[in-house]
Amino acid sequence: EAGVAQSPRYKIIEKRQSVAFWCNPISGHATLYWYQQILGQGPKLLIQFQNNGVVDDSQLPKDRFSAERLKGVDSTLKIQPAKLEDSAVYLCASWNGWDEQFFGPGTRLTVL
Amino acid sequence: DAKTTQPTSMDCAEGRAANLPCNHSTISGNEYVYWYRQIHSQGPQYIIHGLKNNETNEMASLIITEDRKSSTLILPHATLRDTAVYYCIARGSGTSYGKLTFGQGTILTVHP
Repeated sequence: EAGVAQSPRYKIIEKRQSVAFWCNPISGHATLYWYQQILGQGPKLLIQFQNNGVVDDSQLPKDRFSAERLKGVDSTLKIQPAKLEDSAVYLCASWNGWDEQFFGPGTRLTVL
Repeated sequence: DAKTTQPTSMDCAEGRAANLPCNHSTISGNEYVYWYRQIHSQGPQYIIHGLKNNETNEMASLIITEDRKSSTLILPHATLRDTAVYYCIARGSGTSYGKLTFGQGTILTVHP
């Protein structure tokens, strides 16, 4: 089966600019996650979707981060405006409810 | 989610067994122990999981102590490609069902 797709793989922006990341989960996986991984740390959950509804966004900095999954399939994570501390790898993962979570390759964001 | 504690780093010779310990002394009765690994510049990859019994698959074995307070991931014949960060996670239950809370993991280096 095809894996979790993410784009772009790399993005470099200046602080205060906006950026968006896209994720296409494995077909049929109702649950989708966005994680942020800062260099040297483990991934941190930002938001969890169940179909097109938000299950957990307690660690999403809502003043600058937003995410949507309008049709319950692919998802977009946006940062507006970006700060230096947002430099990280943004990982998308999907889950069918019983097997393991599958992760995409991530988008590496550098904020200058 | 129960907190897990792992050594920061470990070394292993190629061809030998790698035994990675994890402490999860506050794990609840319905929390599974999951192991993921992350090879450089890739997303985390599922290895194995268990609840009470020892588990084995094509990648590894998982030994869980009878009191469930600790576990050991065993890679029976480590190769250079097993060099990665290994994460031990007590998977969330209840409202956080499915959620993975990553720690800093163990950096495993396999030497020729």
